[in-house]
Amino acid sequence: EPEVTQTPSHQVTQMGQEVILRCVPISNHLYFYWYRQILGQKVEFLVSFYNNEISEKSEIFDDQFSVERPDGSNFTLKIRSTKLEDSAMYFCASRPPLAGGPNEQFFGPGTRLTVL
Amino acid sequence: GDSVTQMEGPVTLSEEAFLTINCTYTATGYPSLFWYVQYPGEGLQLLLKATKADDKGSNKGFEATYRKETTSFHLEKGSVQVSDSAVYFCALTRNDYKLSFGAGTTVTVRA
Repeated sequence: EPEVTQTPSHQVTQMGQEVILRCVPISNHLYFYWYRQILGQKVEFLVSFYNNEISEKSEIFDDQFSVERPDGSNFTLKIRSTKLEDSAMYFCASRPPLAGGPNEQFFGPGTRLTVL
Repeated sequence: GDSVTQMEGPVTLSEEAFLTINCTYTATGYPSLFWYVQYPGEGLQLLLKATKADDKGSNKGFEATYRKETTSFHLEKGSVQVSDSAVYFCALTRNDYKLSFGAGTTVTVRA
């Protein structure tokens, strides 16, 4: 069964460093998302992406964050200069292009980001 | 803005016990409602959904009914198994672009 994959499973970085989290969505999906979950808190929406542009973003998704679909298969989240408070589990999700919604979002296993 | 409030955990049950996880929401318009489950070491999986008032979602013995009058979508299962041990998330969407999640409820079922 097709699934969303994410790499790495755990990333440790120093404060101020750039990180790129990678996701491979399910191949025929057209809508892509990033969410994060700070330990002990809610899963929070970051950004949605469709047709090579951002559809919607939350107030968390500031200028330090960017997303890209560089090659038609990967979907990446970049954090330019990490802060301690960026430590969280980051989930990628994708959704198929079916008519009539809402449609299920399929989630990856997450990348745990630890900023030291 | 949209928000989801669900029962705080952790919840610990014996096998074959009845499980209820309460979920209430705040949203304008007519959101669609979901329950997602996260098994240890895995991603979030859709458990069930309901798209309009009085709809009942069901899957794997779990049920939840969309109650607009009480803005609730409580999850129930009549007889839990050890394999149901997981974190359960209630969520809603209004526009399909994003899901708004509750805090998650950790359920542990003991043999």
